[in-house]
Amino acid sequence: DGGITQSPKYLFRKEGQNVTLSCEQNLNHDAMYWYRQDPGQGLRLIYYSQIVNDFQKGDIAEGYSVSREKKESFPLTVTSAQKNPTAFYLCASGSAVSGIWYFGPGTRLTVL
Amino acid sequence: DAKTTQPTSMDCAEGRAANLPCNHSTISGNEYVYWYRQIHSQGPQYIIHGLKNNETNEMASLIITEDRKSSTLILPHATLRDTAVYYCIVRVLLRQGAQKLVFGQGTRLTINP
Repeated sequence: DGGITQSPKYLFRKEGQNVTLSCEQNLNHDAMYWYRQDPGQGLRLIYYSQIVNDFQKGDIAEGYSVSREKKESFPLTVTSAQKNPTAFYLCASGSAVSGIWYFGPGTRLTVL
Repeated sequence: DAKTTQPTSMDCAEGRAANLPCNHSTISGNEYVYWYRQIHSQGPQYIIHGLKNNETNEMASLIITEDRKSSTLILPHATLRDTAVYYCIVRVLLRQGAQKLVFGQGTRLTINP
């Protein structure tokens, strides 16, 4: 079954701790993206990657880091430098052939 | 970045056509219009996209005005399961061939029995 998976679905973190969100896709897409969504708002781009071992900052990259060591995986680390990390995080991958982007089910991060 | 403007909320009766408008007056000539929808606490689901011509698929139709400054998403026979937030999105080109989807606030569509 093809698609994008994100884990965990819910994540709780204490202030001052780093936390890593997982994103895996088996769609063979080169491009992958991380978005953040706050309550009642649209999605904002954090980081994106067009190819393995390369990634670029999006509109709100401060306090976040990513890696792209494998085509299938694009983990996001929320660092202690992120001032307001509580949000819904969505990973996506994009097909250059169809032009369609596919989103994962999301991870809801809460800082306690 | 191109910006989209949508009504905050809309209602539609079950079985009727739902017409969702979107303004994107600053869109550039090579930027596509996309529509996604999001049911509470889930990832956005792709509906349809287009550049200049009207498009239709099994889910919906997309009507883009000739000047490309606005578009309308049409759900031909709305069901209760179509209740969701609908996002009109512009796909923006970045450097080195990269792209991003620029989301607005979306329209909360409620289908009433």
